[in-house]
Amino acid sequence: EAQVTQNPRYLITVTGKKLTVTCSQNMNHEYMSWYRQDPGLGLRQIYYSMNVEVTDKGDVPEGYKVSRKEKRNFPLILESPSPNQTSLYFCASSLRPWETQYFGPGTRLLVL
Amino acid sequence: GESVGLHLPTLSVQEGDNSIINCAYSNSASDYFIWYKQESGKGPQFIIDIRSNMDKRQGQRVTVLLNKTVKHLSLQIAATQPGDSAVYFCAGLNTGNQFYFGTGTSLTVIP
Repeated sequence: EAQVTQNPRYLITVTGKKLTVTCSQNMNHEYMSWYRQDPGLGLRQIYYSMNVEVTDKGDVPEGYKVSRKEKRNFPLILESPSPNQTSLYFCASSLRPWETQYFGPGTRLLVL
Repeated sequence: GESVGLHLPTLSVQEGDNSIINCAYSNSASDYFIWYKQESGKGPQFIIDIRSNMDKRQGQRVTVLLNKTVKHLSLQIAATQPGDSAVYFCAGLNTGNQFYFGTGTSLTVIP
């Protein structure tokens, strides 16, 4: 089944404790993105990647890192999480940016 | 900065009526637009897209209209059903391959 998977789905952590949210797709897509979704603000793009080893900042990259060592995986790293990073995070992928984008189920993060 | 916005945060329609959800964008260089549906507890789901060289595109029960002159995008849902109740987002892709999303319109279908 073609899908985007994210792990974990739910995470509670404390300020400053490094964490990684994994994202994997099995559709051989080149374009992958991370978004955060906050009430009243909609979805905002954090980082995106056009292909392996190519990543670019989105609208809200501060406090986040990504890597794209393999085509299928695009982990999101929070080196030192802060409470303002409490949010719902979505990973997405598409063959090209202008093709249908498939979203993962989301990761709900709470930073205390 | 670039933005994509939705006109109404909520919309209620009677089952069987047509729904129209509107969206405005600021970047005239955007060349690809998408409408997504998001049900509670789930990720956004692609509904329909349109490229800037078109002004209308139809899918199954959905139509997207693009007016580049006034930078306006709309989603029309025909014969709205209870299963259409969800939050709808428009999004635009800029020339830097970056997406911008609207804040969403919550559609409620009244049986």
